[in-house]
Amino acid sequence: TQLLEQSPQFLSIQEGENLTVYCNSSSVFSSLQWYRQEPGEGPVLLVTVVTGGEVKKLKRLTFQFGDARKDSSLHITAAQPGDTGLYLCAGRVSGTYKYIFGTGTRLKVLA
Amino acid sequence: GAGVSQSPSNKVTEKGKDVELRCDPISGHTALYWYRQRLGQGLEFLIYFQGNSAPDKSGLPSDRFSAERTGESVSTLTIQRTQQEDSAVYLCASSLVGRGDTEAFFGQGTRLTVV
Repeated sequence: TQLLEQSPQFLSIQEGENLTVYCNSSSVFSSLQWYRQEPGEGPVLLVTVVTGGEVKKLKRLTFQFGDARKDSSLHITAAQPGDTGLYLCAGRVSGTYKYIFGTGTRLKVLA
Repeated sequence: GAGVSQSPSNKVTEKGKDVELRCDPISGHTALYWYRQRLGQGLEFLIYFQGNSAPDKSGLPSDRFSAERTGESVSTLTIQRTQQEDSAVYLCASSLVGRGDTEAFFGQGTRLTVV
């Protein structure tokens, strides 16, 4: 059974601070996606990383896929209150279109 | 419609009753997913469809849970003899399946409460 563990589970920081969220597994995934979910809504895709070691930047967000394709990180620079939400990683099981989601990181950015 | 539509948005049912949850995916999307999300937690995989077939049903928690998809469109998730531990938000997503990864578009979910 593939599992994706995220850490930290909860994070409360002040506006302007930097933070990193981790997504770890003992399994290899074909690719990894990061989603953000707001209360009462479904998750919305932020990015997809495919190649081991790949780094993608989306404005103040930097995503990295581990060399072995077992882990990923999301780094946010100068967090803003609008970044508040539940961040979820999702790995695609090799040879399928099945996506396993992580346990989630709930971020709160205080003004 | 423009997005994934789920109905009902909220369902309160008595323990032991059966419930049906419906998902209308984005037109033309070949893949359809069902996930369960308990309060404040991540998404638990239930089942996914490619077309009308379900290559992986491994996430269904018990034989009380079943799902079907018809016409490569609408899907129904059925929970029989509901129990209190079934209370959660049930999310449906759809995507185009082709080469590489595509974005999964989620509905707003059905909040199921078993009393």
